[in-house]
Amino acid sequence: GNSVTQMEGPVTLSEEAFLTINCTYTATGYPSLFWYVQYPGEGLQLLLKATKADDKGSNKGFEATYRKETTSFHLEKGSVQVSDSAVYFCALSDSFGNEKLTFGTGTRLTIIP
Amino acid sequence: GAVVSQHPSRVICKSGTSVKIECRSLDFQATTMFWYRQFPKQSLMLMATSNEGSKATYEQGVEKDKFLINHASLTLSTLTVTSAHPEDSSFYICSARAGTVSYEQYFGPGTRLTVT
Repeated sequence: GNSVTQMEGPVTLSEEAFLTINCTYTATGYPSLFWYVQYPGEGLQLLLKATKADDKGSNKGFEATYRKETTSFHLEKGSVQVSDSAVYFCALSDSFGNEKLTFGTGTRLTIIP
Repeated sequence: GAVVSQHPSRVICKSGTSVKIECRSLDFQATTMFWYRQFPKQSLMLMATSNEGSKATYEQGVEKDKFLINHASLTLSTLTVTSAHPEDSSFYICSARAGTVSYEQYFGPGTRLTVT
């Protein structure tokens, strides 16, 4: 079955540091890949997505590239801000337009001034 | 953007009682709603998918008689945990999908259930 593995947190960084949160997946076929973010007290929000190999999703300074050869979708940001503090979830949906999402365990990110 | 609310945000109930959690799409009509469960430090696990006006489809291992799901309107789905036990204590999250064009799901903030 499908599975998503993402780096365990918590991750604590100083403001303006470079961020990488690793995510790898196991799936049959050609899944779509997602990063969701959950700010304190709020629901998960879609941060970015990529639907095919070599696609790069980007939003709010965050980027992730769909790497089929390494089955990875690592999240990166060049300079984090305090407002980026949240829990980040990597997820996939399988290749048949199936709306079911398989999530990773989430990574809590804290940015200190 | 699309907003999904859940009520209550926290609930404590005694073992053996039932508790209902509501999920509402506030500014769009949700043809499909999803219910997830999240254990501490674990990923969200899909429990069931519900389409308005039809019976919910439960994932393998989820007891449909214990977790009753009703999606009676295009803006409301409810999850009722019947005869709750301490092992049902968890964080329950709903999401909603608008229409059939986009597969994007909009998530509620979650409900923390504690069964004593």
